[in-house]
Amino acid sequence: KAGVTQTPRYLIKTRGQQVTLSCSPISGHRSVSWYQQTPGQGLQFLFEYFSETQRNKGNFPGRFSGRQFSNSRSEMNVSTLELGDSALYLCASSLAMPPAETQYFGPGTRLLVL
Amino acid sequence: AQKITQTQPGMFVQEKEAVTLDCTYDTSDPSYGLFWYKQPSSGEMIFLIYQGSYDQQNATEGRYSLNFQKARKSANLVISASQLGDSAMYFCAMRGAGSWGKLQFGAGTQVVVTP
Repeated sequence: KAGVTQTPRYLIKTRGQQVTLSCSPISGHRSVSWYQQTPGQGLQFLFEYFSETQRNKGNFPGRFSGRQFSNSRSEMNVSTLELGDSALYLCASSLAMPPAETQYFGPGTRLLVL
Repeated sequence: AQKITQTQPGMFVQEKEAVTLDCTYDTSDPSYGLFWYKQPSSGEMIFLIYQGSYDQQNATEGRYSLNFQKARKSANLVISASQLGDSAMYFCAMRGAGSWGKLQFGAGTQVVVTP
């Protein structure tokens, strides 16, 4: 079974631009979560989607948004990029079946904002 | 609020030795899950082991075992017979009841396995 895939793997943008990251979950997984990882803040939860609905959201500004499609693929968008948005963005998928709901992560997208 | 604490920023361990990585947590949820992940320098988070708050026995997965002490709110990871490929960052994480899709991560412990 193929794992979680994320595209692109690396991205360089300039301040003020916007970016869209894509995540394809493991086949059969309906939940997709997004995380931001930085050296200073560690791993922080962005949001989670299940059946095309956002069920949970972290404490990030409205510039960070996401969506999920009917095939469970998800995208996240960051508008008006700031230098501090430079990070590794990880997406994870799960079956969303309590109690474990183990999340399996993709390789991440490394975003550098100049 | 939930909190995960990993007090060991880094440690060295010799090949073939066992190593224990500490993790304490704080939550008011009666039901929760505890996870350990490994992150090599490539960046991908690799799931290692899961422990549910109501599980009576400590979880084991191959060379990984979780020493779960509920009263002390600790969930330490034990890696037996360390291998060079175990060199990585290790994260403890928790998911509370109703926290859809959200894992709360600790700061991580960097493990370096030496020959």
